[in-house]
Amino acid sequence: GAVVSQHPSWVICKSGTSVKIECRSLDFQATTMFWYRQFPKQSLMLMATSNEGSKATYEQGVEKDKFLINHASLTLSTLTVTSAHPEDSSFYICSASMGGPNYGYTFGSGTRLTVV
Amino acid sequence: GQQVMQIPQYQHVQEGEDFTTYCNSSTTLSNIQWYKQRPGGHPVFLIQLVKSGEVKKQKRLTFQFGEAKKNSSLHITATQTTDVGTYFCAPQGGKLIFGQGTELSVKP
Repeated sequence: GAVVSQHPSWVICKSGTSVKIECRSLDFQATTMFWYRQFPKQSLMLMATSNEGSKATYEQGVEKDKFLINHASLTLSTLTVTSAHPEDSSFYICSASMGGPNYGYTFGSGTRLTVV
Repeated sequence: GQQVMQIPQYQHVQEGEDFTTYCNSSTTLSNIQWYKQRPGGHPVFLIQLVKSGEVKKQKRLTFQFGEAKKNSSLHITATQTTDVGTYFCAPQGGKLIFGQGTELSVKP
């Protein structure tokens, strides 16, 4: 089955620093990956669609200069939170799909970011 | 993107009782997916519904897609403590947009 690996699983950083989160599709190629953010007791909010070899598509209200997305290969997408602030503390999750009605989307295990 | 409303937000049941969560849209959906997220975990794909009036079963879980393809439901028969988690519906049209989710707690 499809496996998506996400690292790190948790990270603590100081305000003003940048944090990079990696999302890899281990046994399939993903031309498109999705990045979500989830606050406690809330739903997953789509931040952006990561497209291999081209610019990411950001959802309304998401700052593209703050949340840098790079999808340089068919198996790797990265999300960099730049100049992190405490309000950026959240659970970030990536996902990808093998395609077809029986697979749905496979999610990474998520990254819990705490900015102090 | 396509937006859906999901109710209830929370549901507390006694083990053995049934549980249902509903997903409603003001527009016709091309398909709907359902996911389960355990506390502290990530969403796991359960099923996709595509056809009008479609009904699919997975053991104690029954998924339905309305005739007008504007609503969907997930019904769990005789809940168990392992059913605890948040259930999300998500229409998929190029990108996956999640409903608010229904958090299920099961008292043993």
